[in-house]
Amino acid sequence: EVQLVESGGGLVQPGRSLKLSCAASGFTFSNYYMAWVRQAPTKGLEWVASITNSGGSTYYRDSVKGRFTISRDNAKSTLYLQMDSLRSEDTATYYCTREGYGDYFDYWGQGVMVTVSS
Amino acid sequence: DIVMTQGALPNPVPSGESASITCQSSKSLLHSNGKTYLNWYLQRPGQSPQFLIYWMSTRASGVSDRFSGSGSGTDFTLKISRVEAEDVGVYYCQQDLEFPLTFGSGTKLEIK
Repeated sequence: EVQLVESGGGLVQPGRSLKLSCAASGFTFSNYYMAWVRQAPTKGLEWVASITNSGGSTYYRDSVKGRFTISRDNAKSTLYLQMDSLRSEDTATYYCTREGYGDYFDYWGQGVMVTVSS
Repeated sequence: DIVMTQGALPNPVPSGESASITCQSSKSLLHSNGKTYLNWYLQRPGQSPQFLIYWMSTRASGVSDRFSGSGSGTDFTLKISRVEAEDVGVYYCQQDLEFPLTFGSGTKLEIK
């Protein structure tokens, strides 16, 4: 059974940093692209970043480019999202997702809440 | 960026009836390889989204055949036949033709 378990969320002041982790199990992690998708309170879904299976290529939405870094450790089957210079508009539930053979999201974690507020 | 626009449903939908959710893209999602890069998800209340359909019309593993996807390059429909209580939630379309990957704003389904 595929499982994605996020951790690392919480309350953080604007301008500070936070690092999210996602522990994956139930599949061969190193074979799949992975991604982070977020959802602001009462809002819709928003893709944040993707990473290839080797970690050799990464993709970001413009609003987080230069502030967020997606990475992975295939030996640990773990996905990360380093979030720097956080803004109030980054407040959201962040979902770890597995990408299927296209850039669709076939499995989702339970989500982790990030609140950026002073 | 490709903008995804979803239509609303005339809620609530009577149980056992059909519901059709529409989604429109600002650019054709039909690739030269013949695949149309349009996907559908359902987010039930209080839950994470779940994957329903990819490449416009292919159901994900374990998804009921009451769900079917269709469309052209820019206009898409998710049809839910014989709606049930467990179908309640918000449905999202998403394009994966190009980055940035984008979602529609969601369509809420309520059942009577």
